[in-house]
Amino acid sequence: DTGVSQDPRHKITKRGQNVTFRCDPISEHNRLYWYRQTLGQGPEFLTYFQNEAQLEKSRLLSDRFSAERPKGSFSTLEIQRTEQGDSAMYLCASSLNTPGPYNEQFFGPGTRLTVL
Amino acid sequence: GENVEQHPSTLSVQEGDSAVIKCTYSDSASNYFPWYKQELGKGPQLIIDIRSNVGEKKDQRIAVTLNKTAKHFSLHITETQPEDSAVYFCAASPGSWGKLQFGAGTQVVVTP
Repeated sequence: DTGVSQDPRHKITKRGQNVTFRCDPISEHNRLYWYRQTLGQGPEFLTYFQNEAQLEKSRLLSDRFSAERPKGSFSTLEIQRTEQGDSAMYLCASSLNTPGPYNEQFFGPGTRLTVL
Repeated sequence: GENVEQHPSTLSVQEGDSAVIKCTYSDSASNYFPWYKQELGKGPQLIIDIRSNVGEKKDQRIAVTLNKTAKHFSLHITETQPEDSAVYFCAASPGSWGKLQFGAGTQVVVTP
């Protein structure tokens, strides 16, 4: 399978615990995005990488959230001291760098986080 | 920032009929408009997109139209089939590097 993969697919944790999610983009894609999707809503942008550089972060990304892409390939999203409001689907997408915004973003299956 | 509104929130159609979903956007700088289909438990799947220098694009039973003056774009699905049942999202890209602002989604149900 050459699509975007995410691990784990589901995560249940207790409030206050730390969690980490992994995203493996399509191999030749150098742009990687994280989005969050709550029930009944469209995905909301969290952050974006071009290669290993994190170029933009949304105001949704509080200081409890941190994302990395150390070698410009896979990425991790960590949430510290989870809160019940963090419960959501966390989606990763990747795209190939082309001039302008005309870059098709391909999404992974997502990680469903439930904070008890 | 960009704001995308999507209507209707739910749409029920008989198999074989057409379905139309409409979106409006606020940022005149947006120039890329993809549509995604999301099935239960899966990530969004890109089904068609349109760029600002084009008014209409068609791919088999799916077509998208764009009116930049009015800042709205629409998805048209003809000859609907039960497998078209899913949530559809429109999006707009206002940035130079492709950040997407999504609408709230339309739940499409196609009944046989």
